[in-house]
Amino acid sequence: KAGVTQTPRYLIKTRGQQVTLSCSPISGHRSVSWYQQTPGQGLQFLFEYFSETQRNKGNFPGRFSGRQFSNSRSEMNVSTLELGDSALYLCASSLGAVPGELFFGEGSRLTVL
Amino acid sequence: AQSVTQLDSQVPVFEEAPVELRCNYSSSVSVYLFWYVQYPNQGLQLLLKYLSGSTLVESINGFEAEFNKSQTSFHLRKPSVHISDTAEYFCAVSDRGSSASKIIFGSGTRLSIRP
Repeated sequence: KAGVTQTPRYLIKTRGQQVTLSCSPISGHRSVSWYQQTPGQGLQFLFEYFSETQRNKGNFPGRFSGRQFSNSRSEMNVSTLELGDSALYLCASSLGAVPGELFFGEGSRLTVL
Repeated sequence: AQSVTQLDSQVPVFEEAPVELRCNYSSSVSVYLFWYVQYPNQGLQLLLKYLSGSTLVESINGFEAEFNKSQTSFHLRKPSVHISDTAEYFCAVSDRGSSASKIIFGSGTRLSIRP
């Protein structure tokens, strides 16, 4: 069974640009969550999608958005990038039956210059 | 509101020594508890979980954690660590009552093993 796949693994952007990150969950998993990981703030919850609907959202500005497609694949977008957006963005999928039982991808490391 | 406190940001131990990584949580409702491990340059992996039943849970690689409701703790232990256990460990809590809850992670404990 294939794991959670995130693309791209690494990317470099400049301030003001936008970025789109992609996540393919484990087959059969309908819940996809996104987290931002930084050395200073640790793991912070961005949002969760279940069956194409956002059902939970963290405390991030509106520049951070996401969506989920009918095949459960998810994308997150960050517009008007700031230096502080440099981070490892982790996607996690789950069946959704037990909150917290997550399967993580290896992450997309974003560097904003 | 839920919160998770991992009391130690770094724990250095010698190989084959015992280790305990501490985790305390606060919540007004019943919870599920988890430990995740992140090896260098990788995503997080579920190490073990407490959902219900026995308060002592074990992983396949020798770690165990005990749910202590009165002390609101879920400390992770291993009697003898190996170099391969070098990683960052995250305690996490989620609300038992909601199917749409946010999972709250602690700030992580970096375990470094000295030969």
